[in-house]
Amino acid sequence: GQNIDQPTEMTATEGAIVQINCTYQTSGFNGLFWYQQHAGEAPTFLSYNVLDGLEEKGRFSSFLSRSKGYSYLLLKELQMKDSASYLCAVRDYAGKSTFGDGTTLTVKP
Amino acid sequence: EADIYQTPRYLVIGTGKKITLECSQTMGHDKMYWYQQDPGMELHLIHYSYGVNSTEKGDLSSESTVSRIRTEHFPLTLESARPSHTSQYLCASSGPLYEQYFGPGTRLTVT
Repeated sequence: GQNIDQPTEMTATEGAIVQINCTYQTSGFNGLFWYQQHAGEAPTFLSYNVLDGLEEKGRFSSFLSRSKGYSYLLLKELQMKDSASYLCAVRDYAGKSTFGDGTTLTVKP
Repeated sequence: EADIYQTPRYLVIGTGKKITLECSQTMGHDKMYWYQQDPGMELHLIHYSYGVNSTEKGDLSSESTVSRIRTEHFPLTLESARPSHTSQYLCASSGPLYEQYFGPGTRLTVT
């Protein structure tokens, strides 16, 4: 099975940079996803990492270290609209994803 | 980007009623999923399908059932609704990397 840990809550200031960490323990790792979920809405896909390293997509970047069972999502130039829950999800060899509990990010002016 | 639809968006129904939550996607994705999520809480996988005539139970025990007769359609049925079924139900389909695209959800209230 999969065990995924993320901080429950984080707060950051508009314009700043924030890093949301995710650690996982898995019996079969085949990729890691990050999703964004605004309150009352469905999650939306942000990024996918399967190899070690950094994937950059605009203001968002995601990093993976498979040997450490560790990933982070980096958000730059924070905007108020980035206030949301960020979900880390790990995919197994069968293709099934297990979601973490999510990190609620609050961006303050 | 996947186009995935759920109906109804909101449903209030009495205890004991049979209900079917509809989910359709137009991307031709083989893999589809149903999740249950209470406000502010984690996602729980209740059913998934990797193709027509293939359905599996997820990690969370559920009294619901699903069917997959057509690729684009993955309805979820509750034979007898109970107040404990009150929740948000999210349908998703996955693309080539198994990234998931979610529908807008059905918010179910059982009175």
